[in-house]
Amino acid sequence: NAGVTQTPKFQVLKTGQSMTLQCAQDMNHNSMYWYRQDPGMGLRLIYYSASEGTTDKGEVPNGYNVSRLNKREFSLRLESAAPSQTSVYFCASSERRSREQYFGPGTRLTVT
Amino acid sequence: KQEVTQIPAALSVPEGENLVLNCSFTDSAIYNLQWFRQDPGKGLTSLLLIQSSQREQTSGRLNASLDKSSGRSTLYIAASQPGDSATYLCAVIAAGANNLFFGTGTRLTVIP
Repeated sequence: NAGVTQTPKFQVLKTGQSMTLQCAQDMNHNSMYWYRQDPGMGLRLIYYSASEGTTDKGEVPNGYNVSRLNKREFSLRLESAAPSQTSVYFCASSERRSREQYFGPGTRLTVT
Repeated sequence: KQEVTQIPAALSVPEGENLVLNCSFTDSAIYNLQWFRQDPGKGLTSLLLIQSSQREQTSGRLNASLDKSSGRSTLYIAASQPGDSATYLCAVIAAGANNLFFGTGTRLTVIP
């Protein structure tokens, strides 16, 4: 039981490049989340998925797209990376919205 | 919008001391409150979840309390150890929201 896994662990992009962050969970959870963590600001929600095929914007969705590929996988795509997207990205999952959330190890992204 | 505050931002204590970390939130209409631990460069580890109908939860040397009416929670750590050194994050799910709202954390150092 691996819990929540994320790939890659580290990534450096140039401004304008695109990439997809992958997330998978093996706990049969319905809800999945993408957060970003910036110094002094706490974690903020980018996108949320209540179930396969559904996604909703969070607090900071601009510049990102998501895909809930199936119940296990939830990917985050940066179409045209900007330096302001330099951050640590965390994926999380929970049985449903009001239940305990479990986090992946994070992806450290630098955009130059 | 829900605001979560954690004071102090940093705390140093000698090994063996009992300590209390504080968390306050602005909107008392919450589903639950969750305490996490984050080690440097790592993901978040869930410590305790308190449902809105509960007053406290205990796990080993940790005890978390919740006072919804005053918008406060405390995390009590008994007999602190150097291995407890980490950043502790408090987060709430507001009623009607999809995500956790995080504080910026308290960085704890336990001195041997």
